[in-house]
Amino acid sequence: NAGVTQTPKFRVLKTGQSMTLLCAQDMNHEYMYWYRQDPGMGLRLIHYSVGEGTTAKGEVPDGYNVSRLKKQNFLLGLESAAPSQTSVYFCASSYSRRGGSYNEQFFGPGTRLTVL
Amino acid sequence: AQSVSQHNHHVILSEAASLELGCNYSYGGTVNLFWYVQYPGQHLQLLLKYFSGDPLVKGIKGFEAEFIKSKFSFNLRKPSVQWSDTAEYFCASTNFGNEKLTFGTGTRLTIIP
Repeated sequence: NAGVTQTPKFRVLKTGQSMTLLCAQDMNHEYMYWYRQDPGMGLRLIHYSVGEGTTAKGEVPDGYNVSRLKKQNFLLGLESAAPSQTSVYFCASSYSRRGGSYNEQFFGPGTRLTVL
Repeated sequence: AQSVSQHNHHVILSEAASLELGCNYSYGGTVNLFWYVQYPGQHLQLLLKYFSGDPLVKGIKGFEAEFIKSKFSFNLRKPSVQWSDTAEYFCASTNFGNEKLTFGTGTRLTIIP
């Protein structure tokens, strides 16, 4: 049981380049999330998904797109990278709500992205 | 919109000292609260969580937190810290029925041997 995995671990891009970050989970979770972590700002939600084929915007969605074609995978795309997108990106997943209670989010190891 | 405040940005303690990290949330309804820890170079891990019931919640590694509704607070405590507790600590909240977590900005804890 690998939990939540992310690829790649590190990446350096030039301004204007595109890339896709892959998140995979093997816990059969319904919900998946993409966050970015910046010094002094905590984690901010970029996009999230409440099930296969559905996505929604989070707090800082501009410049990113996502897709959830398979339940276990959640892709984060940068179409035209900018230096402001230099950050550490974390993926997380959680069960759907059961009986009204909220289930914890399980996090991946992160992707460190630098945009020059 | 919900918000979570962590007023201590960087805390430095000696080993065996007692720890209390502050966390305040803004939402006035039914709220779920969490503390996550991020050790250097690692991903976030759940320390403890509060949904309902006993307001004193015990987590892993000797940590505990107390939910005080009247103060909108969920402070993290540990009676005696160890060097291995050096990490960044994040408080987070979500209101009932909401799938999204709102994180605080984090508190960096440095333990001096």
